[in-house]
Amino acid sequence: DTAVSQTPKYLVTQMGNDKSIKCEQNLGHDTMYWYKQDSKKFLKIMFSYNNKELIINETVPNRFSPKSPDKAHLNLHINSLELGDSAVYFCASSQGWPGGFEKLFFGSGTQLSVL
Amino acid sequence: KNQVEQSPQSLIILEGKNCTLQCNYTVSPFSNLRWYKQDTGRGPVSLTIMTFSENTKSNGRYTATLDADTKQSSLHITASQLSDSASYICVVVYNNNDMRFGAGTRLTVKP
Repeated sequence: DTAVSQTPKYLVTQMGNDKSIKCEQNLGHDTMYWYKQDSKKFLKIMFSYNNKELIINETVPNRFSPKSPDKAHLNLHINSLELGDSAVYFCASSQGWPGGFEKLFFGSGTQLSVL
Repeated sequence: KNQVEQSPQSLIILEGKNCTLQCNYTVSPFSNLRWYKQDTGRGPVSLTIMTFSENTKSNGRYTATLDADTKQSSLHITASQLSDSASYICVVVYNNNDMRFGAGTRLTVKP
């Protein structure tokens, strides 16, 4: 009954491969996010979707493409993986926008290691 | 430049002791400030959310303070427990929907 679940937990792959990370939330939230946590532990937003519509698209390489088949799912597809993509990726969801004091609920993270 | 800086970077305390973590920010226009707890290998979990009009907010043994004039916040942990060992992240929401995360303070509570 995990609120925000993402898979896989760990992903080890070779440079140049294409991989996907899946995220699902069962909270009935309208907004979902992808964050990247780098080696210095900073969390940076990558994408935000509201009701399947892309709202925030920070400056990330176009090798990263989010896909939201419905408002409970936000998957992240990464093409042509590079060494610098190694990080922990977190999915999150909220009912509304952070400016409206909505809590963000995070998944447990996917540790991506590109060799 | 919109920044959120936390100190100390890491902290070790004995079980039962109190501690205070600091957060200074320069982001504007300010909407709200949040403290999150992130256990190793887990996602962040919300502890408190404060608006500019709130000076203090408690969540059990966690008490956050906010001084919107000096743009400073603190998180005070009372009677620490081993389970408090985690990273504590300060997050400032600005422009209504933009969020800036601090790098966190790594707290270790030893028996």
